[in-house]
Amino acid sequence: KAGVTQTPRYLIKTRGQQVTLSCSPISGHRSVSWYQQTPGQGLQFLFEYFSETQRNKGNFPGRFSGRQFSNSRSEMNVSTLELGDSALYLCASSLKVDTQYFGPGTRLTVL
Amino acid sequence: GENVEQHPSTLSVQEGDSAVIKCTYSDSASNYFPWYKQELGKGPQLIIDIRSNVGEKKDQRIAVTLNKTAKHFSLHITETQPEDSAVYFCAASPGSGTYKYIFGTGTRLKVLA
Repeated sequence: KAGVTQTPRYLIKTRGQQVTLSCSPISGHRSVSWYQQTPGQGLQFLFEYFSETQRNKGNFPGRFSGRQFSNSRSEMNVSTLELGDSALYLCASSLKVDTQYFGPGTRLTVL
Repeated sequence: GENVEQHPSTLSVQEGDSAVIKCTYSDSASNYFPWYKQELGKGPQLIIDIRSNVGEKKDQRIAVTLNKTAKHFSLHITETQPEDSAVYFCAASPGSGTYKYIFGTGTRLKVLA
């Protein structure tokens, strides 16, 4: 069974731009969560979607948003990019309660 | 707020020795504790997990122990091999319908051949 896929794998943007990242969960998984990973802050929870509804949200500004489609694929969007948004953005999908499986991540660099 | 402390931040062991990584959590509602291994350029990979109604779980060379009273849980790797070298993360979650993991800061494990 294919794992979680994320596209693109690498992105370079400039300050003020916006970006959209995509995540395809493992087949049959309906929950998708997003995390930001940086050397300074570690892994931080952004938000979680289940059946197209946001169920949980972390402590990030409103510039970070997401959505989930009927096929469980998810996108996250970051508007008005800042240098501090440079990070590895990880998507994780879940079937059963609790256990999450992570994708390879999208490495975003903001110049 | 919710917090997970992880120690040590780096750990070097000789091949064949054991490695122990410890985590402490603050939210008493946490009842699910996964451990992830992250290799360079890859996403975290689940290696073992434990739920609050279990004190210990073992899978071949890897074991996890949980002390709910002390809010401690630990990862034990025996007979370490060079391919065990990676960054290991612990996490805590309230479970029961939420996937909001609180992660530890990570331990860089180096297994010296």
